[in-house]
Amino acid sequence: DAGVTQSPTHLIKTRGQQVTLRCSPKSGHDTVSWYQQALGQGPQFIFQYYEEEERQRGNFPDRFSGHQFPNYSSELNVNALLLGDSALYLCASSPTSRGGAGNTEAFFGQGTRLTVV
Amino acid sequence: GENVEQHPSTLSVQEGDSAVIKCTYSDSASNYFPWYKQELGKRPQLIIDIRSNVGEKKDQRIAVTLNKTAKHFSLHITETQPEDSAVYFCAARRTGGSYIPTFGRGTSLIVHP
Repeated sequence: DAGVTQSPTHLIKTRGQQVTLRCSPKSGHDTVSWYQQALGQGPQFIFQYYEEEERQRGNFPDRFSGHQFPNYSSELNVNALLLGDSALYLCASSPTSRGGAGNTEAFFGQGTRLTVV
Repeated sequence: GENVEQHPSTLSVQEGDSAVIKCTYSDSASNYFPWYKQELGKRPQLIIDIRSNVGEKKDQRIAVTLNKTAKHFSLHITETQPEDSAVYFCAARRTGGSYIPTFGRGTSLIVHP
């Protein structure tokens, strides 16, 4: 089991460009969450996908969008990149939480380091 | 929404000493509190968690305590080793429904040999 895999590992983009980041969840996990981690900060929740739909969303502008595929993998898209979008983007997968019972651990991928210049 | 405060932001100790990291949360309905360790350039990894039905949990050299009345929880690392050096994040969430933890800003722990 490869755990959560993300691609690419590093990316450099120019202001105004668009970027797509990819995530494959851990085997058996159907829920994917995306986080932005700026340098020296904790992960900030962007949104969560379940059953191919955005289930919850954090305080991020519409420039941030996503998608989940039938195989549970997910993409994060960011349009009109700003310098402030430079960060480590983390994907975390988890199994469906059922009333809070059972294992609710989220497994993180290694992240994609995005640099906007 | 939930707000998690974490202190200190940096903690420097000598090998063998104990280290304590403290977090407070705002949502009294939060009942699951995981702690993550993130080594440089690596992904956050869960090291211990505690649920609101217990006040303390221990796993070898690490322990977590929870005070629901005061809405704070702490990570305790005893007999620290250089390999404990990393950034530690606390988080809080409600169980049930989707899993959306709110993270603290992290504590950079440095253990000097």
